Amino acid sequence: DTAVSQTPKYLVTQMGNDKSIKCEQNLGHDTMYWYKQDSKKFLKIMFSYNNKELIINETVPNRFSPKSPDKAHLNLHINSLELGDSAVYFCASSQDSVPGGTDTQYFGPGTRLTVL
Amino acid sequence: TQLLEQSPQFLSIQEGENLTVYCNSSSVFSSLQWYRQEPGEGPVLLVTVVTGGEVKKLKRLTFQFGDARKDSSLHITAAQPGDTGLYLCAGLQGGGADGLTFGKGTHLIIQP
Repeated sequence: DTAVSQTPKYLVTQMGNDKSIKCEQNLGHDTMYWYKQDSKKFLKIMFSYNNKELIINETVPNRFSPKSPDKAHLNLHINSLELGDSAVYFCASSQDSVPGGTDTQYFGPGTRLTVL
Repeated sequence: TQLLEQSPQFLSIQEGENLTVYCNSSSVFSSLQWYRQEPGEGPVLLVTVVTGGEVKKLKRLTFQFGDARKDSSLHITAAQPGDTGLYLCAGLQGGGADGLTFGKGTHLIIQP
């Protein structure tokens, strides 16, 4: 069974469109994360979230918003896509009761977003 | 500002050789993790070091956390082609509410 899954694996879209990436974890973890990995493989935290707290990296544009319908899901919505949004987006989860603890983070396989 | 500097960025060596990858910072981290990422996949945790001076071994991999908790190293003995991948160090600061801070990674290729 896949621990952390993301859909779609690949997403190609035009500038200005709105898109969503879905993430699900079946580990029973309390905290989920979204990371962005650029073309140089640099991974940067975007959001940390559990049912009590959402922490947003201040450098993330407000066009990006996480939505959590339940504890096992954290979807990423992106409005008005720009060329610079092209990257690989990784979802992760950990058992931590608050975001950013020391527990192991389990990463999904990533979603490669290409904005044309 | 890049908090974690990894070196080298790229390393290509022959099977059987030894290598060391470094992760340095001017900041103190409460813990530091090493991940390995293969193409098309997410990073996978190899180890977490928490105590200054701590050394952990995982088969042919040896991880060390600096005494001041500002740096770490990964040493691979008798490298094998299966060790090929992107190695990332990541640190947690203070309460860790900002999540992991990643280095830019070391691309390692082991030639058979």
